[in-house]
Amino acid sequence: QVQLVQSGAEVKKPGASVKVSCKTSGYTFTDYYIHWVRQAPGQGLEWMGWVNPDSGGTRYTQKFQGRVTMTRDTSSRTAYMEVTRLRSDDTAVFYCARNLIGYGAFDLWGQGTVVTVSS
Amino acid sequence: DIQMTQSPSSLSASVGDRVTITCQASQDISKNLNWYQQIPGKAPKLLIFDASKLETEVPSRFTGSGSGTEFTFTISSLQPEDIATYFCQQHDTLPFTFGGGTKVEIK
Repeated sequence: QVQLVQSGAEVKKPGASVKVSCKTSGYTFTDYYIHWVRQAPGQGLEWMGWVNPDSGGTRYTQKFQGRVTMTRDTSSRTAYMEVTRLRSDDTAVFYCARNLIGYGAFDLWGQGTVVTVSS
Repeated sequence: DIQMTQSPSSLSASVGDRVTITCQASQDISKNLNWYQQIPGKAPKLLIFDASKLETEVPSRFTGSGSGTEFTFTISSLQPEDIATYFCQQHDTLPFTFGGGTKVEIK
């Protein structure tokens, strides 16, 4: 079955870090980039960046540069996103999504991971 | 960054009505525009890619059109299961950016 399954909800204190996983199955892992998208409560969608599962190369939006790291493990077909120095306004649902290399549409999404940042 | 302006931000329509949403890009993005549906509490789902191409298994009542800076998304006959928020997204230039969303409700 083709799917992206994300790790469970997290509660963190300000200043802490969180690492979210996105386990893939049912397709050739290296044919699709994995992207991460943030959605704050009641808000829209915000693209954060991507990781190339083949090379491990990454691209981040400037807003998250220096605070976000995207990685992958080809042996387990899993992508990861770590956010450091969490703030209360990082409270959001984080989604992973894939796009076929060379195409721009996110055709499959994970179920989302709720990250709550609160003291 | 390319700004994507969606309108309206919300609408209320009756079952069977034709619903139209527009998305305007701050610069020319050719046809590099996708549309997603997000049902409350769920992840977004791709409906239309490259402005007008229907994703596999998506009902034909959903259509998209446009190029350059002006795009339109239409539901030809609104169904109860279409209650959701719809987002446009440009993939012409990094960073990828989304419109603010249009919340569709049943009157």
